[in-house]
Amino acid sequence: NAGVTQTPKFQVLKTGQSMTLQCAQDMNHEYMSWYRQDPGMGLRLIHYSVGAGITDQGEVPNGYNVSRSTTEDFPLRLLSAAPSQTSVYFCASSRISGGNPNQPQHFGDGTRLSIL
Amino acid sequence: GQNIDQPTEMTATEGAIVQINCTYQTSGFNGLFWYQQHAGEAPTFLSYNVLDGLEEKGRFSSFLSRSKGYSYLLLKELQMKDSASYLCAGSDSNYQLIWGAGTKLIIKP
Repeated sequence: NAGVTQTPKFQVLKTGQSMTLQCAQDMNHEYMSWYRQDPGMGLRLIHYSVGAGITDQGEVPNGYNVSRSTTEDFPLRLLSAAPSQTSVYFCASSRISGGNPNQPQHFGDGTRLSIL
Repeated sequence: GQNIDQPTEMTATEGAIVQINCTYQTSGFNGLFWYQQHAGEAPTFLSYNVLDGLEEKGRFSSFLSRSKGYSYLLLKELQMKDSASYLCAGSDSNYQLIWGAGTKLIIKP
């Protein structure tokens, strides 16, 4: 039972490079989201999705793109990496019950990303 | 604006009880979550409160007062493995979670 799987676990990029962080879940959850976690700050929502083909912006979407072609996968793409995007990125998924997405979120192990 | 406030760090003794407070301001309110996060690991779900009152789950309990915009997490019979950060998150009118910065709990023998 894998849960939420994120790859890679660590990555170092140069400013201006692009890359995709992968996220997959095997629990058939409708809701998926990407957060970044920075020291001294709470988790901040980047993008989220309530189902295949549906995505929306969170609190800090600039510089990131997402897509949701299947229920299982929710990749996060950095378009042109900047040092300000150095962070730990978490993908999370949860059920939507009766239209209410307030269900416990299951988190992946995170991707530690450094931009030089 | 939307805001979640919780203490940055707390210290407690093994076997004791500790209460971690959280105050919230959200645009609308659809409940409050508590998560535990060990250093270098992912957050894991502890509790969810949407109605006033106390929810007990083993050694952990969570309380909510909607009128005061206040919640607390109560940890009893503290164990060394409870050393972690505890994250408070409020759900706003759009069901988006607003997260606090977390309370780092240090347990001493």
